[in-house]
Amino acid sequence: GAVVSQHPSRVICKSGTSVKIECRSLDFQATTMFWYRQFPKKSLMLMATSNEGSKATYEQGVEKDKFLINHASLTLSTLTVTSAHPEDSSFYICSAGGTVAFGANVLTFGAGSRLTVL
Amino acid sequence: GQNIDQPTEMTATEGAIVQINCTYQTSGFNGLFWYQQHAGEAPTFLSYNVLDGLEEKGRFSSFLSRSKGYSYLLLKELQMKDSASYLCAVRGVGDYKLSFGAGTTVTVRA
Repeated sequence: GAVVSQHPSRVICKSGTSVKIECRSLDFQATTMFWYRQFPKKSLMLMATSNEGSKATYEQGVEKDKFLINHASLTLSTLTVTSAHPEDSSFYICSAGGTVAFGANVLTFGAGSRLTVL
Repeated sequence: GQNIDQPTEMTATEGAIVQINCTYQTSGFNGLFWYQQHAGEAPTFLSYNVLDGLEEKGRFSSFLSRSKGYSYLLLKELQMKDSASYLCAVRGVGDYKLSFGAGTTVTVRA
């Protein structure tokens, strides 16, 4: 089945530094990937759609200069949290479509990256 | 916009049945998904409905009524490992984006 790998799984950084999170589709090509953010006991909130070879599409209220997305190849998208602050601490999850089930393109999720900003 | 509601928590006994309801009001509809998520892990796909009716997959079944904006996930013969959060998600028209409900935490007790 489709596998999405996300790295790192956990990262702790100091306030003001930048952190890069990678999302890879291991056994399929993904022209589109999605980045979600999840607060404790809350829903997944879509941040942006990552498009291979073009600019990402950000959801309303998400700062594109804060959360830089690069999708340079068909198997890799990166999310960089720039000048991180404690309020950026969260669980970030990426997803990509890779499986067709019941006639639908099913999104497969990475294992997530827990960011803690001190 | 999307508005997706599901109960926050449910508790059930091992071996029992639990039904998790999900209601949605969306600007466009192209399918409803259920995902299971254990704490600190990625959501995993459980089921997909795009037409009205019941989809059965082992111990899990999912139902959809598009006219009512309503779905439920039915978990039968509950096992301890079924303790997790269950996410209802709706896909809009024209893309693969999913909008998620807040999730229902199911606790299975012995």
